[in-house]
Amino acid sequence: AQRVTQPEKLLSVFKGAPVELKCNYSYSGSPELFWYVQYSRQRLQLLLRHISRESIKGFTADLNKGETSFHLKKPFAQEEDSAMYYCALTHGSSNTGKLIFGQGTTLQVKP
Amino acid sequence: DAMVIQNPRYQVTQFGKPVTLSCSQTLNHNVMYWYQQKSSQAPKLLFHYYDKDFNNEADTPDNFQSRRPNTSFCFLDIRSPGLGDAAMYLCATSRTGRSTDTQYFGPGTRLTVL
Repeated sequence: AQRVTQPEKLLSVFKGAPVELKCNYSYSGSPELFWYVQYSRQRLQLLLRHISRESIKGFTADLNKGETSFHLKKPFAQEEDSAMYYCALTHGSSNTGKLIFGQGTTLQVKP
Repeated sequence: DAMVIQNPRYQVTQFGKPVTLSCSQTLNHNVMYWYQQKSSQAPKLLFHYYDKDFNNEADTPDNFQSRRPNTSFCFLDIRSPGLGDAAMYLCATSRTGRSTDTQYFGPGTRLTVL
């Protein structure tokens, strides 16, 4: 069964510390991987996707097919990064775009 | 600003009393999705429309129905809400439904069942 696992419900770091939010997936095929973010009192929005191989707000994520992981990293956390982060996948050959989400990790960046 | 709008933001209903949640979009996207998110859980897709074609997820209860009268609007109907249907309901859109598309989410409707 397709599944996305985010092992940490809460990750708390100090400002300026490195951040790594873990995401592992289970999928028999070639999925598309995403990170969505929800800031306080805002709607869920796309942060980045693996196919774009881009850095957004200093965050990067590398798809490791061997380890079936798509961890989100940032070298120096900022207070404004505090939010709920969801890892998600879609079927690579899908024409429905159905997102399968992990349970989310709350990132708390302390001053 | 082009966006996804959900009304109401908070809905309270009684056990067994039908309720309708509304979603509208100004993005002119082909695909509209409804996700259910229970407390401390991941959002879970209930169904989606590709244009006028309705696609139900296999495990979505029959109690949940949807209508899309035109490109801009999509409704979620819960025929007989139970206590277990209390959740946040998220509407989302995507331009083409391709696996690489970004999904644009509304702010959600929080449903309480008394």
